[in-house]
Amino acid sequence: SYELTQPPSVSVSPGQTARITCSGETLPDQNAYWFQQRPGQAPVMVIYRDTERPSGIPERFSGSSSGTTVTLTISGAQAEDEADYYCQSTDSSGAYVVFGGGTKLTVL
Amino acid sequence: QVQLVESGGGVIQPGRSLRLSCAASGFTFGSYGMHWVRQAPGKGLEWVAVISYEGSNKFYADSVKDRFTISRDNSKNTLYLQINNLRAEDTAVYYCAHGSFDFWGQGTLVTVSS
Repeated sequence: SYELTQPPSVSVSPGQTARITCSGETLPDQNAYWFQQRPGQAPVMVIYRDTERPSGIPERFSGSSSGTTVTLTISGAQAEDEADYYCQSTDSSGAYVVFGGGTKLTVL
Repeated sequence: QVQLVESGGGVIQPGRSLRLSCAASGFTFGSYGMHWVRQAPGKGLEWVAVISYEGSNKFYADSVKDRFTISRDNSKNTLYLQINNLRAEDTAVYYCAHGSFDFWGQGTLVTVSS
């Protein structure tokens, strides 16, 4: 089965840039999405189609793609950005969805 | 505004069956595919299943394809997930999500325990 690989944890100080990577063999051909999930809450999309930011998401959130790796960048991370982040894409057919294992972002 | 409200969760014994519902409002439900995603306690998100806008195409994660059935009633703006032969490892919060994952419900907790 298809997998997306994320680091389990990333730590940054407030105001620093946080980068969370996601690797998968079909990422050059399939769109990637990023979700933020705070404790006890439903996931919220922060990036779609690799680089697009939904309305209402702060500009400090950005996405990029290079080969089999996509990256979520939070420029000037704030305490409120502390959360779990998940990448999501599909297999080569586009029919089967997969989530990465998640990355816990700590801002302290 | 878009609302997705799940229901049907609870504590249920192993081996029993359960049907979850997701009531949708605020958008043209019958025009969009819909997903179920689950999250076991303390674990990550796991995609479960997707159904096409009219219900003719359905895809399942390998881990659930023999026991789970996704369906929808566009006349009632409602998405369903039938779970048979429940196992302890099915314990999770079950979320329904809009086809583009831009809208999610708040989830319903299913606890499988004797």
